Amino acid sequence: EIVLTQSPGTLSLSPGERATLSCWASQSISSSYLAWYQQKPGQAPRLLIYGASTRATGIPDRFSGSGSGTDFTLTISRLEPEDSAVYYCQRYGTSLPTYTFGQGTKLEIK
Amino acid sequence: EVQLVESGGGLVQPGGSLRLSCAASGFTFSDNYMNWVRQAPGKGLEWVGRIRNKGGRYITEYAASVEGRFIISRDDSKNSLFLQMNSLKTEDTAVYYCARDFYYKSDYWGQGTLVTVSS
Repeated sequence: EIVLTQSPGTLSLSPGERATLSCWASQSISSSYLAWYQQKPGQAPRLLIYGASTRATGIPDRFSGSGSGTDFTLTISRLEPEDSAVYYCQRYGTSLPTYTFGQGTKLEIK
Repeated sequence: EVQLVESGGGLVQPGGSLRLSCAASGFTFSDNYMNWVRQAPGKGLEWVGRIRNKGGRYITEYAASVEGRFIISRDDSKNSLFLQMNSLKTEDTAVYYCARDFYYKSDYWGQGTLVTVSS
């Protein structure tokens, strides 16, 4: 079973700075199968990025995804207070489990 | 506008059963695969299972943690998704989300319904 490991666990940055969130897969995965979600307290997750680098509908261009193989990155430029949230990477698999999530990175905006 | 609304959560004793529902609107429900995802209090997201559409022969897939205890079904005539949960354990306590599956991702999510398993 492929495991996704996210780092750091918590990230504390100031408005206007850039956040770099990492997601490592225990085995190589197709970029088509890697997505990122944002979850704010008390809310459902929201799709941010799919196919490793394609922004979902309505997602501002401050959010970008990159990577391939086992190393993937979510970058948030020009941080805003509303970006405070937990961010999860997710991988689709052709064998069970169909979907696997990373443990999440909590982003705090000072 | 796509909407997914879960219902049916509540307090249940260990060993008990509960059936969750998810009402879908704003898209052609019958065309889509659908997921259930859960989140234990203060924890991360855990995929529970998925049901394919008619073209996918309504095949269901489950996480190992719920295989044999949970059953996913759907009623395309009512745009509804269901999660039958049996032999519930305290570790099944979580907010349960339904989400639309669309090409290797979940692009729309409901607001979730809380299931508490406790004596």
